[in-house]
Amino acid sequence: GENVEQHPSTLSVQEGDSAVIKCTYSDSASNYFPWYKQELGKGPQLIIDIRSNVGEKKDQRIAVTLNKTAKHFSLHITETQPEDSAVYFCAALITDSWGKLQFGAGTQVVVTP
Amino acid sequence: DTGVSQNPRHKITKRGQNVTFRCDPISEHNRLYWYRQTLGQGPEFLTYFQNEAQLEKSRLLSDRFSAERPKGSFSTLEIQRTEQGDSAMYLCASSLGGVGEKLFFGSGTQLSVL
Repeated sequence: GENVEQHPSTLSVQEGDSAVIKCTYSDSASNYFPWYKQELGKGPQLIIDIRSNVGEKKDQRIAVTLNKTAKHFSLHITETQPEDSAVYFCAALITDSWGKLQFGAGTQVVVTP
Repeated sequence: DTGVSQNPRHKITKRGQNVTFRCDPISEHNRLYWYRQTLGQGPEFLTYFQNEAQLEKSRLLSDRFSAERPKGSFSTLEIQRTEQGDSAMYLCASSLGGVGEKLFFGSGTQLSVL
């Protein structure tokens, strides 16, 4: 089955700097990779996603890149702000499933002013 | 608010008791999912519905767990004879359907079994 590994587990950045989170997946047939942000006491919020026919996608300060050959994808947050502090999860759509996602273990991002 | 709604937000129960959680998905979404999340981990898939039909259940879902979506709208997740290991955040998500659809999660129900 699909296995998703996420690194680092914690990331501390100064406000204004960039943050990068990396994930690898095992099933080469996976074709959809969303990223979620989870704040304390809340459910995961979809922030950006990418499909396997695209190498990069950007939405304001957030971007995701996908390397299908290496089976890894990354989240980039530029000009970080304190409100970016949260746990971020990557996920991969399990092949031939009905929208079932396999999540990574999460990255705790702390942005210090 | 047109997002996914879950009730209650928190539930504390004693071991051996039964508990039931409710999820109201986004109104036009025909797929509904239950996930479980323990501290420091990502959500793990439990089960999902296409309209009122329960199409898949994870091996994580023991026979003490049962989920329903009787009219293809809201869903309930019941845990019978709760155990301390059932303590977790139970998350509901919904989607429109189709390949690579976007899942939208509710705020979850935090279960604590004493």
